[in-house]
Amino acid sequence: DVKVTQSSRYLVKRTGEKVFLECVQDMDHENMFWYRQDPGLGLRLIYFSYDVKMKEKGDIPEGYSVSREKKERFSLILESASTNQTSMYLCASSFSGGANQPQHFGDGTRLSIL
Amino acid sequence: AQTVTQSQPEMSVQEAETVTLSCTYDTSESDYYLFWYKQPPSRQMILVIRQEAYKQQNATENRFSVNFQKAAKSFSLKISDSQLGDAAMYFCAYKRRKYGGATNKLIFGTGTLLAVQP
Repeated sequence: DVKVTQSSRYLVKRTGEKVFLECVQDMDHENMFWYRQDPGLGLRLIYFSYDVKMKEKGDIPEGYSVSREKKERFSLILESASTNQTSMYLCASSFSGGANQPQHFGDGTRLSIL
Repeated sequence: AQTVTQSQPEMSVQEAETVTLSCTYDTSESDYYLFWYKQPPSRQMILVIRQEAYKQQNATENRFSVNFQKAAKSFSLKISDSQLGDAAMYFCAYKRRKYGGATNKLIFGTGTLLAVQP
């Protein structure tokens, strides 16, 4: 079974802090994704990566950056956390071998910015 | 731009009964994939079923089936013999069939929260 592991289920940080959310997958997937989930808005794509050191902006990249130094690890960085970034963050990964390849998700990190 | 709409924020069904969750989408593409994902209270999103737009036959996975109406751009999920473990948030999602870059991304609806009554 594919395993996508997010480093924290719950995280509390303060406004202005630099926050790192880590995601690791064990299936040698080329693609990795970071989503933000808010009630009534569904999942919105922040950034994704289709290879090591390669990244593309999603729909809501403002205030975020990402890092992919190794194939299995994809990090989401909040450069200067703000209260409007309080949310659930989901990481996902998939093969790039076909558009029908499903994305496999982690358990999510519920981030609170105080 | 493609959009996905789930018009039912919440639904409820009695155990052992059948329920249908609706999903509509908007696209100018002719070739794409549609997915239903389930997110239980444990939070991990799980793929329930997928449909390829070029296939006319509706996808089925055990108690889960879809009614795919391409002309109407509708993709509803039917859950038969509902079980307590089916209680979850259900998301409909769309993906273009082309390869590479931004085309790999899923576009999600806002979700339908399904409650199963014993």
